[in-house]
Amino acid sequence: AQSVTQLDSHVSVSEGTPVLLRCNYSSSYSPSLFWYVQHPNKGLQLLLKYTSAATLVKGINGFEAEFKKSETSFHLTKPSAHMSDAAEYFCVVSTYNNNDMRFGAGTRLTVKP
Amino acid sequence: GAGVSQSPRYKVAKRGQDVALRCDPISGHVSLFWYQQALGQGPEFLTYFQNEAQLDKSGLPSDRFFAERPEGSVSTLKIQRTQQEDSAVYLCASRLSSNTEAFFGQGTRLTVV
Repeated sequence: AQSVTQLDSHVSVSEGTPVLLRCNYSSSYSPSLFWYVQHPNKGLQLLLKYTSAATLVKGINGFEAEFKKSETSFHLTKPSAHMSDAAEYFCVVSTYNNNDMRFGAGTRLTVKP
Repeated sequence: GAGVSQSPRYKVAKRGQDVALRCDPISGHVSLFWYQQALGQGPEFLTYFQNEAQLDKSGLPSDRFFAERPEGSVSTLKIQRTQQEDSAVYLCASRLSSNTEAFFGQGTRLTVV
């Protein structure tokens, strides 16, 4: 079985400063990892995905994440936060063998002007 | 279709009533997932289909919950004798294969009164 732990339930940053949202995973097999964003009253949108290719993954809206097997981590970063980045972010793990997706509890990102 | 479509978008049910929630996945997508998202929480896995086969139903909270996908396309999540704790957003997602992006519907918000 696989699972994810999002280490912060709430992160607050100032506009223009870096964003770091932390995610650790547990998986018996080689995982696929995803970050999704959920804006209020909107559907889940994929930001980026790791599927055993390059360990540094670039996504939409300037976000990127690095897969670190030794640390079982897949942290999401962005160099400079925008007000429009304020949303709920979910880290998701999936494995070929299990063929399912498990969500973390989510991190709410607040961006202050 | 262009995306995953769920209906109805909103459903109010009296306690004890049966409800049926529909999901139209993206055409050709083999995998289909159902999730339950309570207010302020991350999506919790309910069940997974590969074509018409229900391969994992370990997340269904009780035997009042039942899901089917008889022809490997449209899926229905049925909840019998609804209770207040069933109030949540029910999300459906589909994807082409295990390491590709899952596309989510807008969800059905179920309120049990």
